[in-house]
Amino acid sequence: DTGVSQNPRHKITKRGQNVTFRCDPISEHNRLYWYRQTLGQGPEFLTYFQNEAQLEKSRLLSDRFSAERPKGSFSTLEIQRTEQGDSAMYLCASSLGQIAHEKLFFGSGTQLSVL
Amino acid sequence: SQQGEEDPQALSIQEGENATMNCSYKTSINNLQWYRQNSGRGLVHLILIRSNEREKHSGRLRVTLDTSKKSSSLLITASRAADTASYFCATDSVAGGTSYGKLTFGQGTILTVHP
Repeated sequence: DTGVSQNPRHKITKRGQNVTFRCDPISEHNRLYWYRQTLGQGPEFLTYFQNEAQLEKSRLLSDRFSAERPKGSFSTLEIQRTEQGDSAMYLCASSLGQIAHEKLFFGSGTQLSVL
Repeated sequence: SQQGEEDPQALSIQEGENATMNCSYKTSINNLQWYRQNSGRGLVHLILIRSNEREKHSGRLRVTLDTSKKSSSLLITASRAADTASYFCATDSVAGGTSYGKLTFGQGTILTVHP
């Protein structure tokens, strides 16, 4: 399966702990996106990378959130000092980032529960 | 923030019937895309329509776009129980004349198809 892979699928943590999620995009895709989705809502944009460069961050991404994409391959999203409001599904997506190839390919997501 | 509003929020139909979902958006777009999401999973791309197109077909799917009204509709014909899922519209907005491929999603329509 050469789709977008996210790990872990589920993460339960206590408030105040740090968590890190990993996303492996489709290998030839140079764009990688992170979205957050809460129950009953559509995905909300968090940030995106063009290769290893982080080009845009949403205001939703507070100082406690940091994302990296070293070498333009996999990406990690870290949340420090988690809060209950961080509980959500974190979705990663990738694309070729070219005209005629704008559709996003999503992973299955990481469901975060902060207790 | 959510760009689109989808209508209805929930739709319940019998197998074989057609399902129509509507989406409205606020800003100028390069393209509008529809995605499907099964419960607890990632999103799957269904169809993309560009701002200079008015109608597009893919199998049992028909999408229309009215840029003057900033609205789109997704029609699923001859629905099946397997079509049960949430459906989201997503807009790729114009930003300085360049599409960055960053999608803004609506809140979705929950479709239930009864066998």
